[in-house]
Amino acid sequence: DSGVTQTPKHLITATGQRVTLRCSPRSGDLSVYWYQQSLDQGLQFLIHYYNGEERAKGNILERFSAQQFPDLHSELNLSSLELGDSALYFCASSGYHLGQGFTGELFFGEGSRLTVL
Amino acid sequence: KNEVEQSPQNLTAQEGEFITINCSYSVGISALHWLQQHPGGGIVSLFMLSSGKKKHGRLIATINIQEKHSSLHITASHPRDSAVYICAVRSTNFGNEKLTFGTGTRLTIIP
Repeated sequence: DSGVTQTPKHLITATGQRVTLRCSPRSGDLSVYWYQQSLDQGLQFLIHYYNGEERAKGNILERFSAQQFPDLHSELNLSSLELGDSALYFCASSGYHLGQGFTGELFFGEGSRLTVL
Repeated sequence: KNEVEQSPQNLTAQEGEFITINCSYSVGISALHWLQQHPGGGIVSLFMLSSGKKKHGRLIATINIQEKHSSLHITASHPRDSAVYICAVRSTNFGNEKLTFGTGTRLTIIP
């Protein structure tokens, strides 16, 4: 058990819909990362939050947005869903500290498998 | 050309064999990760390296910063080692962290 909790584990929805994926990081970890894993693209970095603030953006579509709340949990919102958004979405947390950089390993949640029909 | 290249893409070996998976990268990095992904989909971080060598049980990871190359070795391989092994490099630009992944090596260990 990595200590990172993701919900839901599976989600099936239709094109055009909107979904929210939730991530609770390991206790004490201020950094949350979101990744997308699709069959044709492999693992792709989407976005990084540190203590409630966005720190870095990767290949995240404009239809996608994320936030990290004061209790450090994070949500990834996917809207106007397309067939190609079907993928595994992973959240990871780490002990990243401003001024010190990355200080520890990444701990991954089990992922949320999104199927868009 | 991808920033992170892994080889081989697929590897099948007999139980007990010594396994080597390679990772080459083309960017400056602050750290390199080796990840393991089992068929169920979950990802486990095996190692984080910035220099030298690390060992955990039957797993050994090495990195050569000058050559921009890392290897993951598995000694006395076992069927439970069957998984996809993913190399990922961490780069930092103006305080923004980015993780770039290789395409993974699918390892199958036959009893």
